[in-house]
Amino acid sequence: DAKTTQPPSMDCAEGRAANLPCNHSTISGNEYVYWYRQIHSQGPQYIIHGLKNNETNEMASLIITEDRKSSTLILPHATLRDTAVYYCIDHSGGGADGLTFGKGTHLIIQP
Amino acid sequence: DVKVTQSSRYLVKRTGEKVFLECVQDMDHENMFWYRQDPGLGLRLIYFSYDVKMKEKGDIPEGYSVSREKKERFSLILESASTNQTSMYLCASSLTFLAHSTDTQYFGPGTRLTVL
Repeated sequence: DAKTTQPPSMDCAEGRAANLPCNHSTISGNEYVYWYRQIHSQGPQYIIHGLKNNETNEMASLIITEDRKSSTLILPHATLRDTAVYYCIDHSGGGADGLTFGKGTHLIIQP
Repeated sequence: DVKVTQSSRYLVKRTGEKVFLECVQDMDHENMFWYRQDPGLGLRLIYFSYDVKMKEKGDIPEGYSVSREKKERFSLILESASTNQTSMYLCASSLTFLAHSTDTQYFGPGTRLTVL
């Protein structure tokens, strides 16, 4: 079973920031927080990952709490194409470990 | 950009047929993975490979085999397809076997296989 907890669904207005929360209270010291998303009928797409510092790339920002028990993915200006299921994963990041996706958050961007 | 391609987006086969799903990555990644994704069950790892001719069983290897003759290509084989193998099959690759902070898995578009 996935070790992370996410709300099943969220709505966000187009052009606004979408903030997706994730709880990972059992994360261990060497595990990263990874975010992927999956648009309907496509393969998962990597978004961002972090260990303990906040991270930003061209797609999103990742805010990790100081105790590392939770994080928030921020899509700063959501578009309709951001409608997808977003998965938060705690993962050691390397080796040949398979990824364990939970149910994720279905983010719906409203026009 | 990393590109992972899969041979078919949609495939329909009959029970008992031998099925080959092909995956190719163009970034010289060492690791390659095969998953299946089913509603309510999430992503489940079937097999992975960390080098040419090397393979390891994942969580649900029964009914499947794999082949990795070249670094860029990883094939999933259903020896005798059954209806319970109807699923979305996803291939992924990652750079190295060693723990690394940027060892992200990159996925192909998926193959939706229907076994009748």
